[in-house]
Amino acid sequence: GAVVSQHPSRVICKSGTSVKIECRSLDFQATTMFWYRQFPKKSLMLMATSNEGSKATYEQGVEKDKFLINHASLTLSTLTVTSAHPEDSSFYICSARVDFTDTQYFGPGTRLTVL
Amino acid sequence: GQQVMQIPQYQHVQEGEDFTTYCNSSTTLSNIQWYKQRPGGHPVFLIQLVKSGEVKKQKRLTFQFGEAKKNSSLHITATQTTDVGTYFCAGYSGGGADGLTFGKGTHLIIQP
Repeated sequence: GAVVSQHPSRVICKSGTSVKIECRSLDFQATTMFWYRQFPKKSLMLMATSNEGSKATYEQGVEKDKFLINHASLTLSTLTVTSAHPEDSSFYICSARVDFTDTQYFGPGTRLTVL
Repeated sequence: GQQVMQIPQYQHVQEGEDFTTYCNSSTTLSNIQWYKQRPGGHPVFLIQLVKSGEVKKQKRLTFQFGEAKKNSSLHITATQTTDVGTYFCAGYSGGGADGLTFGKGTHLIIQP
């Protein structure tokens, strides 16, 4: 079946640094990818919609200058958490929608810990 | 914006008992999807319901989509310890660009 990978799976960084998370669809094209954030024991919260070749669409309350999204190809989207702070520590999950369908496949997630 | 309410938040059952979680959307959905997340894991896609009134079964799991396409349920018959986890419903409004709107999830705890 369709596979979505995320890298890294875990990252620990110092406050003030930037962290890049990659999301790849391995065996299908995904013009649209989504980035979610999950707080402990909470539901996934959609952060932004990433579209290949255009600017991402951010959900209300999500700082676009802090969470930079680049969707450079049909199989890769990246999320960069800039100037990370401890409150940015969370589980970040991407999903990729199979082109011309409503089906999404989730990546395994990235656990970000900011010290 | 679209909201998806899911209840209950937590459900404790004895092994062998049945379990049901319910989702209600504030708007009509194009489809609804169900995910299971094991503790420490990521959400895993279970099923997608598209048609009004649709009922689908996967072994002991029964999924229903309401006639108005605004509510859905997941029912597990005779729970087993492997069913432990959080079950999320996620609504998709359609239109091409929107992400899913997730319910808050139901944490299923099974007592042996």
